[in-house]
Amino acid sequence: DSGVTQTPKHLITATGQRVTLRCSPRSGDLSVYWYQQSLDQGLQFLIQYYNGEERAKGNILERFSAQQFPDLHSELNLSSLELGDSALYFCASSVGVLGGTYEQYFGPGTRLTVT
Amino acid sequence: SQQGEEDPQALSIQEGENATMNCSYKTSINNLQWYRQNSGRGLVHLILIRSNEREKHSGRLRVTLDTSKKSSSLLITASRAADTASYFCATWSGANNLFFGTGTRLTVIP
Repeated sequence: DSGVTQTPKHLITATGQRVTLRCSPRSGDLSVYWYQQSLDQGLQFLIQYYNGEERAKGNILERFSAQQFPDLHSELNLSSLELGDSALYFCASSVGVLGGTYEQYFGPGTRLTVT
Repeated sequence: SQQGEEDPQALSIQEGENATMNCSYKTSINNLQWYRQNSGRGLVHLILIRSNEREKHSGRLRVTLDTSKKSSSLLITASRAADTASYFCATWSGANNLFFGTGTRLTVIP
C-alpha cells in the first residue's frame, strides 16, 4: 500500500458527461501528479500541483482541469468526455516540488470507461 | 520527446532465470528511475540511479546507467513468478515531471 488513495475505483459514463476523480496523497507529501495511461498513448503526465499551486503541465487537454485543496487532496475534472478519454487515471505524490528528485508514490488508479 | 523506450517490449522466461530489460532515452538526465506495474494497478518505485552513478543494486535488482549511450538496463536475477509485471523506466531532466517509457512486459513462467 503506497499510502495514496484514489476514488472511485471504476467509473462508467457516457460521452459528453463530466466526471471528477479524487486523490489523497501520502501523509507528508506536498506534490500531487496526475497521469493518464491508455493502451495507445502509454503513461502520460497530465499535471502537477505542489502545496495548492499548479507547478507543471503535461499533455493535459483543455477539457480537463485539476486543483489541489488546502488539505492537499486533489481532484481531476474531465468534461465533455469522448470515447478516447477511456483510460486508467493515476495520481501520484512525492515529498518535494521537483518531480524527479525523489520517488513518486502511485495510487491504485481510477479506471474510466466512456461509452 | 524525452520519453524513454524499453526493449524488449515483452519478455518471457522460466522461473529462476535472469531477466534483462533496457531503456534508451534522448536527452541528458539528472536521474533515471525504474518502476514496476502489476496488471492494471499503480506503479511501484523500484530503484533510482543518478546521472553520476554507473551501477546500483537493490536486492535481486541491478541497474546500470551509461549516460554516453543514453541507456540503462535493469537486471532481475533469479526471477520468480511474482516478478511478472510491466517494468517502466522514467527519466528526470530537472523539470517538474518524469517522462515514462513504453514499458517491458515480463512474464515469469513457474
